Amino acid sequence: EAGVAQSPRYKIIEKRQSVAFWCNPISGHATLYWYQQILGQGPKLLIQFQNNGVVDDSQLPKDRFSAERLKGVDSTLKIQPAKLEDSAVYLCASRPTSGRAGTDTQYFGPGTRLTVL
Amino acid sequence: TQLLEQSPQFLSIQEGENLTVYCNSSSVFSSLQWYRQEPGEGPVLLVTVVTGGEVKKLKRLTFQFGDARKDSSLHITAAQPGDTGLYLCAGRRAQKLVFGQGTRLTINP
Repeated sequence: EAGVAQSPRYKIIEKRQSVAFWCNPISGHATLYWYQQILGQGPKLLIQFQNNGVVDDSQLPKDRFSAERLKGVDSTLKIQPAKLEDSAVYLCASRPTSGRAGTDTQYFGPGTRLTVL
Repeated sequence: TQLLEQSPQFLSIQEGENLTVYCNSSSVFSSLQWYRQEPGEGPVLLVTVVTGGEVKKLKRLTFQFGDARKDSSLHITAAQPGDTGLYLCAGRRAQKLVFGQGTRLTINP
């Protein structure tokens, strides 16, 4: 079974530029997450999709970040304009329909490492 | 303020030694997970603990969930270089997974 795919793997941009990341979850996984992992910290949830609807975007900086999951499959995360503090690894994860409550497994992609200069 | 505090943040030991990593919080979680993350990769789930006091073993790794479901520990016996990585604990609250800042473990041959 193929894992979660993300591209690009690395991106270097200057501040105030725009950038977009792409994620293709595991086939059949209804739930998709975007996380931001700053160096030395654990992942922080940015947005959660259930199929093509947003479940939680409370920690997404909506003035500059946007995300969409058209057709409920792959997803894109965009930053416009980027700031220095956006330098981080952006992780995408997916989860199948949950089984027993509290034991859901999220499968992570390899991430996109963004450097903002 | 970190909801989940992991300690130590960095640990470097020799092959064959034992170690324990802690994950503490003042909040109660419905479940707690441990992940390992290697450079250039995403976190990989190691275990999920659900019941207070639960102990799970995965080869040389022993995971324990605190009785009050506020804390957890990961114990590694006879550490090997292949255990090197970033260990993350993550607690589930209100359908959301909250991660600790991680423990970076290095096992020296």
